[in-house]
Amino acid sequence: QLQLQESGPGLMRPSETVSLTCSVSDGSTSSSAYYWGWIRQTPGKGLEWIGSIYYNGRTYYNPSLKSRVTMSKDTSKSQVSLRLTSVTAADTAVYYCARQSYSGAWSRLRWFDSWGQGTLVTVSS
Amino acid sequence: DIQMTQSPSSLSASVGDRVTITCRASHDISHYLSWYQQKLGKAPKLLIYDASNLETGVPSRFSGSGSATLFTFTISSLQPEDIATYYCQQYDNLPFTFGPGTKVDVK
Repeated sequence: QLQLQESGPGLMRPSETVSLTCSVSDGSTSSSAYYWGWIRQTPGKGLEWIGSIYYNGRTYYNPSLKSRVTMSKDTSKSQVSLRLTSVTAADTAVYYCARQSYSGAWSRLRWFDSWGQGTLVTVSS
Repeated sequence: DIQMTQSPSSLSASVGDRVTITCRASHDISHYLSWYQQKLGKAPKLLIYDASNLETGVPSRFSGSGSATLFTFTISSLQPEDIATYYCQQYDNLPFTFGPGTKVDVK
């Protein structure tokens, strides 16, 4: 059964850059059937899609975060990574990685069918 | 961005009751909608995709319907293990957006 495991620093200072990693258990980061997404959750804003990355490196980002977000992947390690720069208290959230179904026939990203347990990132001075 | 709204924001029902949650999209999203269940302290879990398709392994008491801007999620017979918050999500247009959630409690 697919397992996704996020990891990250936990506590960050304002203006720093946070890097999160998602390890995928079944090696499917090289599959053309899926994108890999990052979603964050805060009590105030709820669930917010951050971005998604394909096996070939193609990315889509939420415009609200695009200037600060970079996603990458390491297929050899079955890992997907998220980098968010210039963090503020508003970036305090639980960050989830999730597998996203993709229809190549329709070039359509679809639902998130498997999620990691999430990792809490707290931004505080 | 497509705005997703849900109603009610919370509800309390008895075991065995039929529970219905409504999700509205600010623009026509066809059938490109999914529903998730999130239990306290856990990650969201996919229940329904393409508005009405039940994810493999999900109990048949869960169902979804609707299209365009109005969608419905139903639990036909509420069980104690269904205590959770339920979210809709559209994937018709970028950025993907989620509803604010409906918290379901058992009386």
